[in-house]
Amino acid sequence: EAGVVQSPRYKIIEKKQPVAFWCNPISGHNTLYWYLQNLGQGPELLIRYENEEAVDDSQLPKDRFSAERLKGVDSTLKIQPAELGDSAVYLCASSLAGGRYEQYFGPGTRLTVT
Amino acid sequence: KNQVEQSPQSLIILEGKNCTLQCNYTVSPFSNLRWYKQDTGRGPVSLTIMTFSENTKSNGRYTATLDADTKQSSLHITASQLSDSASYICVVSSTGTASKLTFGTGTRLQVTL
Repeated sequence: EAGVVQSPRYKIIEKKQPVAFWCNPISGHNTLYWYLQNLGQGPELLIRYENEEAVDDSQLPKDRFSAERLKGVDSTLKIQPAELGDSAVYLCASSLAGGRYEQYFGPGTRLTVT
Repeated sequence: KNQVEQSPQSLIILEGKNCTLQCNYTVSPFSNLRWYKQDTGRGPVSLTIMTFSENTKSNGRYTATLDADTKQSSLHITASQLSDSASYICVVSSTGTASKLTFGTGTRLQVTL
């Protein structure tokens, strides 16, 4: 069974440019998470979806970050415009519904903003 | 504020040696505690998960303990191997329909020859 798939794995952009990350969760997992992980730190939740509904986006910087999960399966996280401080690894995870179950993480997208 | 603190921040050990990583938390109400292993350039992978009533759980050479009274957990690695080199992250979940995970900053373990 395939795990959580993310693309691209690496992205280098100049500041003020837009960027988008894509995530395909494990089949049957209704809950999808986007995390930001800075070097040497633990992941920090950006947004959590239950199916197509964003149930927790309190930590998402909405002035420049947006996310969507239109059909309740794969998801896209966008940053526009990117800032130098956005350089980090963006992790996607999925679990069975409800948030009480084991989360399975994708390999992440490493973003470098120059 | 829910917090998870891990120690040491980093650790270097010789192959074949044992080591113990520590995790202290202040998350409430407590649901479960998980240890994840994160290899460089990869996402975290679950090693163990323990609920309130469990005080020890093993996964191969990894043994996790939980003391819910003192809100402490440890991860013991026996007979370390080079492939154990990774970051180990302690994650505590709170209860409720909108349960949230609080992540520690991790312990970076390096196993050398």
